[in-house]
Amino acid sequence: AQSVTQLDSQVPVFEEAPVELRCNYSSSVSVYLFWYVQYPNQGLQLLLKYLSGSTLVKGINGFEAEFNKSQTSFHLRKPSVHISDTAEYFCAVIVSGSARQLTFGSGTQLTVLP
Amino acid sequence: ETGVTQTPRHLVMGMTNKKSLKCEQHLGHNAMYWYKQSAKKPLELMFVYSLEERVENNSVPSRFSPECPNSSHLFLHLHTLQPEDSALYLCASSHPTTAVTGEQFFGPGTRLTVL
Repeated sequence: AQSVTQLDSQVPVFEEAPVELRCNYSSSVSVYLFWYVQYPNQGLQLLLKYLSGSTLVKGINGFEAEFNKSQTSFHLRKPSVHISDTAEYFCAVIVSGSARQLTFGSGTQLTVLP
Repeated sequence: ETGVTQTPRHLVMGMTNKKSLKCEQHLGHNAMYWYKQSAKKPLELMFVYSLEERVENNSVPSRFSPECPNSSHLFLHLHTLQPEDSALYLCASSHPTTAVTGEQFFGPGTRLTVL
């Protein structure tokens, strides 16, 4: 079975600073990887996904993530954050070819300070 | 706005009450999901319906009873809940072509408080 670890439960950062949210997964088979964002009082929204091909994936709102197979990581980055990026971010994994069974990490609360 | 709606958005109920949560999508998706989101814990997948048939039930207590009358609607019937069932309940759906890759569309959730 696969698992997802988000090492930081809370990340405070000042506006316009860069940020990295860390995600590691464990799986013995090929996986697809996702980052979802949850704004206050809303459901989850897909930020970006890695299925295959280039290991650097670009998503919405200026976010990007890099798949590192050797380190089993899929860290999320943004070079300059805005107040509006304040939200909870979830990393998720699904075994390739295995429909429906998304496994989520416990989330990272990103708080952007003025 | 993802096209998945949930009602009610907030619900407070006693342990002896019976209530239902409703989820609706008109995105042409054929799979629907119930998740439980508790503070500081990963999202827990509760039920999965594909083509109106339940295909997964992740050891959820029988006090939670799902119903999927058609591919656009999903219900979660609640009875004799416990205070530890208080959480945000999220509904999601997926399209046939994206289900394999895992992309799901989420509703805003129902914040449930059990007294």
